[in-house]
Amino acid sequence: DAGVTQSPTHLIKTRGQQVTLRCSPKSGHDTVSWYQQALGQGPQFIFQYYEEEERQRGNFPDRFSGHQFPNYSSELNVNALLLGDSALYLCASSFSRTGELFFGEGSRLTVL
Amino acid sequence: GEDVEQSLFLSVREGDSSVINCTYTDSSSTYLYWYKQEPGAGLQLLTYIFSNMDMKQDQRLTVLLNKKDKHLSLRIADTQTGDSAIYFCAERLPAAGNKLTFGGGTRVLVKP
Repeated sequence: DAGVTQSPTHLIKTRGQQVTLRCSPKSGHDTVSWYQQALGQGPQFIFQYYEEEERQRGNFPDRFSGHQFPNYSSELNVNALLLGDSALYLCASSFSRTGELFFGEGSRLTVL
Repeated sequence: GEDVEQSLFLSVREGDSSVINCTYTDSSSTYLYWYKQEPGAGLQLLTYIFSNMDMKQDQRLTVLLNKKDKHLSLRIADTQTGDSAIYFCAERLPAAGNKLTFGGGTRVLVKP
């Protein structure tokens, strides 16, 4: 049983570019949440997707957007990248919006 | 409001017990979690405690919850070199679904 898988594992972008990160939830899970973890800090909640809609959102600007597909997989998009967007982006899946979270290994984004 | 705080660093000798502390400010927290993060990896759920409990033991791990002082601790018995990692506590609020608010993490270094 595959857990939460994320791609790519590492990527480098330059300021102003756009990035798309992908997440496949654990089998049987229908809800995906995204977190940003800056270096030396704890993860910060970005948003949660359930039934292909954004259900909750943390304190992140509109440059951060997402999508959930009918197969429950999800994408995180960040536009107009800033140096401060450099971080580990973690995807977590759960069964329902209140179920226990299972985290992936993350996608490490470096913005130069 | 939401605020979870942890001490930054803990050094311990192999075989000794480690105690990692966490304070939180929202008394309505329903669940409190401990996660482990090894270098370059995602988050691994170690254990959790429901807010109506005072203590939970799981093999080498003991969680203590003092609701009056809003203090949570994780004790690791017989600490091993493989326990070297960053440990995060996180709270879950009843109105927030399964959104977690994390502390900044405690880096634990186990010396042989």
